[in-house]
Amino acid sequence: DQQVKQNSPSLSVQEGRISILNCDYTNSMFDYFLWYKKYPAEGPTFLISISSIKDKNEDGRFTVFLNKSAKHLSLHIVPSQPGDSAVYFCAASDLKAAGNKLTFGGGTRVLVKP
Amino acid sequence: KAGVTQTPRYLIKTRGQQVTLSCSPISGHRSVSWYQQTPGQGLQFLFEYFSETQRNKGNFPGRFSGRQFSNSRSEMNVSTLELGDSALYLCASSSGRTTNEKLFFGSGTQLSVL
Repeated sequence: DQQVKQNSPSLSVQEGRISILNCDYTNSMFDYFLWYKKYPAEGPTFLISISSIKDKNEDGRFTVFLNKSAKHLSLHIVPSQPGDSAVYFCAASDLKAAGNKLTFGGGTRVLVKP
Repeated sequence: KAGVTQTPRYLIKTRGQQVTLSCSPISGHRSVSWYQQTPGQGLQFLFEYFSETQRNKGNFPGRFSGRQFSNSRSEMNVSTLELGDSALYLCASSSGRTTNEKLFFGSGTQLSVL
C-alpha cells in the first residue's frame, strides 16, 4: 500500500521553462512534506519542505504547493536549468510521531533539455 | 564537516549469504536511519537508531537488522539473502534532537544478490 505516490515516472522540459512535479498521499496523519533531489551515484539531498499549516513555500526557483483537502502537493521549478536534471522524490512524515521516519514516493526523473 | 559515509560502495553476494553494511554519520549526529531503494519503489524505510536504541522500524522481515554503536556509527545486517534484496541501501543521519528533522544521506551501498 503506497501511501505516497508520484504518478509521473519521468518528465522532460526545455531549459528556461517550468517543471511541475506532482505527488499524492493517502495518510491523513502526514503533516510535513519534503522534496529531495537525487543525482546518479549520490545520496538524495534535501530541496524544500512544507508543513500542513501552510499551502505554499518558496525558496529561490523552487516552490512547493500543498492542497490538504486533495492530499496533493506539487513542486514547481522556474526556470528549469540543465543542472536540475535528476530524480526528485516526494516524502511525507507525521510530526507527532517520535523520531525520523519519512515515507517516500517512487520518484520522478526530470530531464531538462538545453 | 565530513558527510555521511557508507561502506562498502558496492557488494556482490549470492543467495543465502549474509551481508553487513556500515554507516558513519555526520559528526555530532546521533540519529541514523536506513532506507532501501529499488527501481520504481522509491525509498522504503527500514529502521532508525538513536543513542544505540532502535526508535522506529519499517515493514521489513526479521532478516533485516541493525545496530548502533556508542560513537553513533551504525551497521545494517541482512541474513539469508534473497534475489529481491538487490537494491541501493541508503543511510541518513540527523542530530536526533527534534522530530522529523532534515536528513543527510550518504551515497549508498549498491547490493547485488546473484
